[in-house]
Amino acid sequence: DGGITQSPKYLFRKEGQNVTLSCEQNLNHDAMYWYRQDPGQGLRLIYYSQIVNDFQKGDIAEGYSVSREKKESFPLTVTSAQKNPTAFYLCASSIALAGAYNEQFFGPGTRLTVL
Amino acid sequence: AQSVTQLDSHVSVSEGTPVLLRCNYSSSYSPSLFWYVQHPNKGLQLLLKYTSAATLVKGINGFEAEFKKSETSFHLTKPSAHMSDAAEYFCVVTGGYGSSNTGKLIFGQGTTLQVKP
Repeated sequence: DGGITQSPKYLFRKEGQNVTLSCEQNLNHDAMYWYRQDPGQGLRLIYYSQIVNDFQKGDIAEGYSVSREKKESFPLTVTSAQKNPTAFYLCASSIALAGAYNEQFFGPGTRLTVL
Repeated sequence: AQSVTQLDSHVSVSEGTPVLLRCNYSSSYSPSLFWYVQHPNKGLQLLLKYTSAATLVKGINGFEAEFKKSETSFHLTKPSAHMSDAAEYFCVVTGGYGSSNTGKLIFGQGTTLQVKP
């Protein structure tokens, strides 16, 4: 099956620890994205990548880091510098950068809870 | 700058009655617009998209939306609600090319649809 996988589904970490969220896609998409979702809010863009070895900050990049060493993988690290990391994290991909014909496909999400 | 406003944070309907979820947008470019649905603790699924072709767009699961440029609206409708339609719905506009939002999706705050038996 083609799609986007995120792991784990639920993640618990102690305050001050870095944690890495996995995102893999087998859709052969060039562009990938990370969003954060908090209760009652829309999605906010953390980072996005248009192509391998390139990525750009989104609207709330502080306290997060990413890498894009392979086309199919776009892991997100939540660092200890992120002041309020507890949230639902969604990964997405699109054929190319989002535009008129390039809708984004979303993974199932990872719920991160920092204790 | 592009923005999108979902006019209702919560909508409640009875099963079998029509659904209307309202969305207004603001864009200095010809926008592309989407509706996504999210069931609890799940990712988002595309319902339909408008890309400057037909103004009445049909999507999955019986949903449709009409693009009205004069009203800057893109309301989502369904003739008859089903219990499985209960979810969060997001109206989304693409960032205009050449703007700081190039390549980005701009999400509304979401509308929670409750369907009563």
